[in-house]
Parts: sequence; structure tokens; C-alpha cells
Amino acid sequence: NAGVTQTPKFQVLKTGQSMTLQCAQDMNHEYMSWYRQDPGMGLRLIHYSVGAGITDQGEVPNGYNVSRSTTEDFPLRLLSAAPSQTSVYFCASSYSISGRWYNEQFFGPGTRLTVL
Amino acid sequence: TQLLEQSPQFLSIQEGENLTVYCNSSSVFSSLQWYRQEPGEGPVLLVTVVTGGEVKKLKRLTFQFGDARKDSSLHITAAQPGDTGLYLCAGALDSGAGSYQLTFGKGTKLSVIP
Repeated sequence: NAGVTQTPKFQVLKTGQSMTLQCAQDMNHEYMSWYRQDPGMGLRLIHYSVGAGITDQGEVPNGYNVSRSTTEDFPLRLLSAAPSQTSVYFCASSYSISGRWYNEQFFGPGTRLTVL
Repeated sequence: TQLLEQSPQFLSIQEGENLTVYCNSSSVFSSLQWYRQEPGEGPVLLVTVVTGGEVKKLKRLTFQFGDARKDSSLHITAAQPGDTGLYLCAGALDSGAGSYQLTFGKGTKLSVIP
């Protein structure tokens, strides 16, 4: 199993450009989420999904969109990039057993995004 | 307001020393996890604690969940250079309705000097 994969590894954007960060997992996990990690701020939840067709906002959702058309994929879209979105982005997946969420997060390797 | 407070923020010690990292909150958590993150990589789960007062050991690492499930500690015995990294605690709030979200602390950056 590849686990959680993310592309690209690095990206530089200009203010106002749009892009999609890709995330895929091959563990058949229902739960997927996106975090951003900034120096001194820890990991902050952007959006999450508890299954295909279901998404919800996390702590810092503004400026980001998500969709979940399949169990495997959970792309994160930046519609109009801003310098404040310069960060490292992590995708994670998790699972439930008998309806109980175990919260163990499997993280991807991250995408380092710079917005000029 | 940070829901989970980690201390210290930075820690630099000599190989062979012992250390303790703390994760504190005023909220009750249904479970608490510790992750380690190395530069350029995503966090990797070390342990999950779910019962108040629970103690788990992972080789030289000892994890404890507070009796009231509001705090946790990570103790490393005889630290090695390979322990260097960012240690993150993360909690699932005891909402009673099912917790889909984890709240992370800001992390403790540990450097073990050979």
C-alpha cells in the first residue's frame, strides 16, 4: 500500500492564481482531512470529509474548497491564492471500526506552497 | 485561545538525558494522541491513550493520560539523537456525539545532541 499520497511536493504561485492540491489514499479509509502547518501555529484543520459526498469545514476553511467524489480522493482547491496561504499542507486519512472513530491519522508527506 | 498547550516549545538536551513533554488543557478529551514529525515529512502516530490514568510504554518512551483526561505527558528515558523531531499532541473532544476532529497542540521541538 502507498498509504496517503500528495502532489505536488512543492508549488509556487502568484497572488490570484488558482490551483488544486491532490490527495489520495489506498487504505479504504472513510475519513479524510486537510491541515495546514505554519511555524508556531501547529496543525490547523481546514476541511474534512467523513465519506464520499460529505464534507465539512474545520477551523480555518476560508479561501479553500473541497469535494469528495470517491473514497480514495480528496482534493483541496485554492480559488484565488493569497500570500497568507503560504504554508505546508498535509492531507490525512482515518477509519472507524463498528461505527467508532479511532481518530488515528495517517498523514501524507505534505505540499509546501509559497504564494508570492 | 489554544485548546491544547504544549510545553516546553523547544528542548535541547545531551544524549543520555531524560526529558518530559507536557500537553495540558481545560477540556476533557475522549482520547489523546502523540505524534512525531521529522523535517520534510508528515506526522507519524506514536500512541493513543483513551482511559484516564492510562500509562503506555513504547521502548524508552512513556506516555501518561491524566486521571481527568485533560492532560498528558511524554517521558523519554536516555534520549538518543534519533529521538530528535517535533512532538505533537492531539486530542479528540469528548462531545458525546462522535468526534471526527482532532485538535493539535503547537508542538515541542526536541534536539538531542550527540
